[in-house]
Amino acid sequence: AQTVTQSQPEMSVQEAETVTLSCTYDTSESDYYLFWYKQPPSRQMILVIRQEAYKQQNATENRFSVNFQKAAKSFSLKISDSQLGDAAMYFCAPFPIIQGAQKLVFGQGTRLTINP
Amino acid sequence: KAGVTQTPRYLIKTRGQQVTLSCSPISGHRSVSWYQQTPGQGLQFLFEYFSETQRNKGNFPGRFSGRQFSNSRSEMNVSTLELGDSALYLCASSSGAGVYNEQFFGPGTRLTVL
Repeated sequence: AQTVTQSQPEMSVQEAETVTLSCTYDTSESDYYLFWYKQPPSRQMILVIRQEAYKQQNATENRFSVNFQKAAKSFSLKISDSQLGDAAMYFCAPFPIIQGAQKLVFGQGTRLTINP
Repeated sequence: KAGVTQTPRYLIKTRGQQVTLSCSPISGHRSVSWYQQTPGQGLQFLFEYFSETQRNKGNFPGRFSGRQFSNSRSEMNVSTLELGDSALYLCASSSGAGVYNEQFFGPGTRLTVL
């Protein structure tokens, strides 16, 4: 079984500043991916960034980057130069690499508010 | 390509009724997964269908069922509705063919049970 903990139910940041959302997880699988998804208000969930657990290098997608600490089972998301459009619920989700297992286990989410 | 579509977008039912939700995946995608999102329980996996077969199942009672058609469209059915079934139901599609395939989510169906 997998568990995912996002310890920050809500966070806020000033526009143009940097914010870090935390996530810890527990999985018995040795190979897995880790995802951050974004769910804007009344809009569809979209994938923000993906990290392969076997890679030591942290993933980066434009203003979004992760800090992946495999031993600590920690996977935080850093958003640089925050923009108003970044306001959303953010969900962390590990994804075990098992053939045929298309199942995401989500954390409880962090609601991010961007202050202009 | 058109995205994942879900119908209806909003639904109001009363306790004891049953409901059917529909999901049309992205063209070419063969896997459809369903998730329930509530403020208390968060996002929980219901089940996944691939090529008309249920491939994965979450921990939900038998009142929750689904199916997938030959064109990959999927339906989810909830019988004998309870107040606690009020939720946003999301479906996600992926190609489903490999070990990892990015899931693309639909806008969801918001079900309210009175």
